[in-house]
Amino acid sequence: DAGVTQSPTHLIKTRGQQVTLRCSPKSGHDTVSWYQQALGQGPQFIFQYYEEEERQRGNFPDRFSGHQFPNYSSELNVNALLLGDSALYLCASSSQGRDYEQYFGPGTRLTVT
Amino acid sequence: GESVGLHLPTLSVQEGDNSIINCAYSNSASDYFIWYKQESGKGPQFIIDIRSNMDKRQGQRVTVLLNKTVKHLSLQIAATQPGDSAVYFCAENNNAGNMLTFGGGTRLMVKP
Repeated sequence: DAGVTQSPTHLIKTRGQQVTLRCSPKSGHDTVSWYQQALGQGPQFIFQYYEEEERQRGNFPDRFSGHQFPNYSSELNVNALLLGDSALYLCASSSQGRDYEQYFGPGTRLTVT
Repeated sequence: GESVGLHLPTLSVQEGDNSIINCAYSNSASDYFIWYKQESGKGPQFIIDIRSNMDKRQGQRVTVLLNKTVKHLSLQIAATQPGDSAVYFCAENNNAGNMLTFGGGTRLMVKP
């Protein structure tokens, strides 16, 4: 039973560039949430996708967007990267009706220079 | 406890001792609470959860206590082992949303 997988593991980008991060949910899960974790802090909710639509959004600007595919996998896109976007980006999956039971992937470490 | 930048609160315990990690939550409407363990370079790993209609729940070597009066959550780890060394986060969820709100984290260091 595969857990949550994310790619790439690490990424280095320059200010102003755009980045796409990918996530495959745990087998049997249909809901994907994205979180940003700055160094030394707890994860912060970005948004959640279910049935290929954004269902809830945290306090993040429109530069952060996402997508969910019919196979439940998801992408997180960040445009016009800022130095402050450097963080660990975590994907968590869950099942509809049990959204509180979220299982996390290993994350993608994004460094913006 | 709250973290400020890189300076996470740290709890240092001797191997074999019991550990208690505390967390204050903010939303009295939260009805579900989870403890996560995060090792360096990895994502948070689910440890144990508790619903707001309970005040105690036990797992294998871990116990979570919930005090809704003072909005306080604690994680007790019995017979702490070196493999328990990690950062521990509490998280809360309420029926009004699907997001988890995380606390600042506590670093647990186990001395052999």
